[in-house]
Amino acid sequence: GAVVSQHPSWVICKSGTSVKIECRSLDFQATTMFWYRQFPKQSLMLMATSNEGSKATYEQGVEKDKFLINHASLTLSTLTVTSAHPEDSSFYICSALRGPHGAEAFFGQGTRLTVV
Amino acid sequence: AQTVTQSQPEMSVQEAETVTLSCTYDTSENNYYLFWYKQPPSRQMILVIRQEAYKQQNATENRFSVNFQKAAKSFSLKISDSQLGDTAMYFCAFMNPNTGNQFYFGTGTSLTVIP
Repeated sequence: GAVVSQHPSWVICKSGTSVKIECRSLDFQATTMFWYRQFPKQSLMLMATSNEGSKATYEQGVEKDKFLINHASLTLSTLTVTSAHPEDSSFYICSALRGPHGAEAFFGQGTRLTVV
Repeated sequence: AQTVTQSQPEMSVQEAETVTLSCTYDTSENNYYLFWYKQPPSRQMILVIRQEAYKQQNATENRFSVNFQKAAKSFSLKISDSQLGDTAMYFCAFMNPNTGNQFYFGTGTSLTVIP
């Protein structure tokens, strides 16, 4: 299957700082990528849809100014958590769509963010 | 957002036995995709099986098969000959290709295979 690489796998940052998470499709081009947040023992909650060359589309309740998404190329999307607070601590997962009909989604290995 | 419901938070099955995980969803769409994903302790999401709504035939992948009941909006996963490596969280997911290809996940079922 296709490979989606997410970096870093884990990060610890101080409250008030910003942290950037990268999602790369290594062997295919992805015009659309998604960002999810997963709390312990819970489901994946869609945060936003990232489209190459355009602004991200955020789900209701997700602060776009706090979670900045950039999809500058067909193989890279970034999620920046700005002015991080302890409540932002979570597991963040990206996925990338391959194919015109989007029926193949490949997931990154996730990033565990801890804000102290 | 679409609603995907998994009513079994936890399940267990004896090794080599068969287990069925339930999933229901709510949509007014006619064309969509349904998926089962596995999330082992590593947290990596792994595609188990995919079903296209316009196909009446139930999808199968080796020991994994689905029972897709479109009218009832039900999409259950059957795991045959359960193996210890099947122990994981299982998520049912819905995707509408006509509205941005977003995936919406159920709450998950934690499956434990008992040796």
